[in-house]
Amino acid sequence: AQSVTQPDIHITVSEGASLELRCNYSYGATPYLFWYVQSPGQGLQLLLKYFSGDTLVQGIKGFEAEFKRSQSSFNLRKPSVHWSDAAEYFCAVGAGEKLVFGQGTRLTINP
Amino acid sequence: KAGVTQTPRYLIKTRGQQVTLSCSPISGHRSVSWYQQTPGQGLQFLFEYFSETQRNKGNFPGRFSGRQFSNSRSEMNVSTLELGDSALYLCASNEASTDTQYFGPGTRLTVL
Repeated sequence: AQSVTQPDIHITVSEGASLELRCNYSYGATPYLFWYVQSPGQGLQLLLKYFSGDTLVQGIKGFEAEFKRSQSSFNLRKPSVHWSDAAEYFCAVGAGEKLVFGQGTRLTINP
Repeated sequence: KAGVTQTPRYLIKTRGQQVTLSCSPISGHRSVSWYQQTPGQGLQFLFEYFSETQRNKGNFPGRFSGRQFSNSRSEMNVSTLELGDSALYLCASNEASTDTQYFGPGTRLTVL
């Protein structure tokens, strides 16, 4: 069965610091992987996705993620966070019409 | 292109009532998926519709149902509401060419 684990429920970083959010997945075939962000009371916004090819993918808002098949991971990174990055981040796996989500990581930014 | 539209944005109902939520996908998208988001269970897949047919269904009781119209707009219905149905219900518009889902703002349902 497909599953996604985000080991960190809550992360706090200082503004300007680097960020890495972890995501591990279980999937029977080559996975389609996604990262979404959700601000309070809002829907999900797509940050980036991986289907195939280059394992380092670039997304919006300066985010990137690296697919590592050997580690079943798809970690999200940003070199320097901004206060506006405070939100909840979800990793997801699956095909286009059905996604399996992790539990999410809440990101807090210290000024 | 306009984004995904969900109406209403907020709903308050009492136990035992039923509710209907609406979703209009991005123009040209023929597939719509629904998810329930709660603090305890996270984001869970409800069902997916394509060309007015349910193609996929998650593990929810029969009180949760949906349909899709010829213009791709979709509705979901929850009958005999329970307190545990309080959640954010998210609709996603599925772009077939890229296998990517784009989400609406959600409908916040509160059951009292």
